[in-house]
Amino acid sequence: DVKVTQSSRYLVKRTGEKVFLECVQDMDHENMFWYRQDPGLGLRLIYFSYDVKMKEKGDIPEGYSVSREKKERFSLILESASTNQTSMYLCASSLATRNQETQYFGPGTRLLVL
Amino acid sequence: ILNVEQSPQSLHVQEGDSTNFTCSFPSSNFYALHWYRWETAKSPEALFVMTLNGDEKKKGRISATLNTKEGYSYLYIKGSQPEDSATYLCALREDNYGQNFVFGPGTRLSVLP
Repeated sequence: DVKVTQSSRYLVKRTGEKVFLECVQDMDHENMFWYRQDPGLGLRLIYFSYDVKMKEKGDIPEGYSVSREKKERFSLILESASTNQTSMYLCASSLATRNQETQYFGPGTRLLVL
Repeated sequence: ILNVEQSPQSLHVQEGDSTNFTCSFPSSNFYALHWYRWETAKSPEALFVMTLNGDEKKKGRISATLNTKEGYSYLYIKGSQPEDSATYLCALREDNYGQNFVFGPGTRLSVLP
């Protein structure tokens, strides 16, 4: 079974802090994704990566950056956390094939920025 | 930005009831549709991948249909059980590049014992 793990289930941070959210997958997937989920909205893509050291902006990249130094690990960085970044953050991974490839998700990190 | 809608936003049903909900999308933007089940405190779990107009998929008591011409997919649950309580997400893939999904807001199902 594919396993995607996220470093924390819950985090509380203060405005202005630098925040790191870590995601690790164990199935050698090329693609990795970071989403945020807010009430009443669908999952929104922040950044994705299709290979080591490669990254692409998603729909809402402002205020975030990412790092992918190893294939299995994809980090989301909030350079200076703000209250509007309070949200549920989900990481996902998938194979890079030309089929209708399913994305496999981690359990999410619920971040509260005070 | 492509808009994927789901209705209803939430519903409550009694154990044993059958239920269904809808995912709507622009029919001109379609490559594949994915359904996920997201139980509280767990990871979203893939249910179905649907690609062809008229597709029907089934997994136990859960089934889904797809109409790409009119831009909707239905998810059916027969004889709902409390363990079916979850948020059901649909996600649209527009093309075969980038592997990006556009998610709907989800339908939150509560099955009351």
